[in-house]
Amino acid sequence: QSVLTQTPSVSGAPGQRVTISCSGDSSNVGSGNDVNWYHHVPGRAPKLLISYNSHRPAGVSDRFSGSKSGSSAVLAISGLQAEDEGFFYCQCYDSRLSGWVFGGGTQVTVL
Amino acid sequence: QVHLQESGPGLLRPSETLSLSCHVLNSPIDTDYYYAWIRKAPGKGLEWLGSFHPTGTVYYNLSLRSRITMSTDMSKDEVYLTLTSVTAADTATYFCARQFSSSGDLDYWGQGILVSVSS
Repeated sequence: QSVLTQTPSVSGAPGQRVTISCSGDSSNVGSGNDVNWYHHVPGRAPKLLISYNSHRPAGVSDRFSGSKSGSSAVLAISGLQAEDEGFFYCQCYDSRLSGWVFGGGTQVTVL
Repeated sequence: QVHLQESGPGLLRPSETLSLSCHVLNSPIDTDYYYAWIRKAPGKGLEWLGSFHPTGTVYYNLSLRSRITMSTDMSKDEVYLTLTSVTAADTATYFCARQFSSSGDLDYWGQGILVSVSS
């Protein structure tokens, strides 16, 4: 069990908007540590989508957006596309564990 | 474009030591970054293993603390992972990644190397 809790799966039709939550506590997300988000398609390298809670690195589609409030963070995907299928992970530093942790991952399915 | 490439054995026996290398291409190992190892076991999510800074600062996953070592050879632009006393539970695809010191985000990843532990 990860210290960062994510909904195991979400699905949506092409074009829809879906959100993925990442819930932590006062030793990680809630202590002001930045949340980063990744997209992983099995067999490929994970890809950074969001850093610093809401910053999109160059080259990342503006369909992806991130936010953080308190001990939770949210990744929103708008205009869902078939290529968005895969697993999405949040990541944050945890001061109690003195290291970084990933959420358990959310599998996104495009219907 | 920064490129990371993992190398090492694909098959180990239980109790052996896993040694992996990560070659950082097109960018010298930089003190603005950590270099991290992450793994993905079958049916499980991403697991952070450790992060190594070229100055020697290192963070390890506490669950692996007694078995893991990370190091670097900056003259070769390589980062290394050693994991002792492997078991079947260490079977996974192992990734190396460059990690920005400030936010901890992993901006460039290798393609990963599958390591199987089996007798």
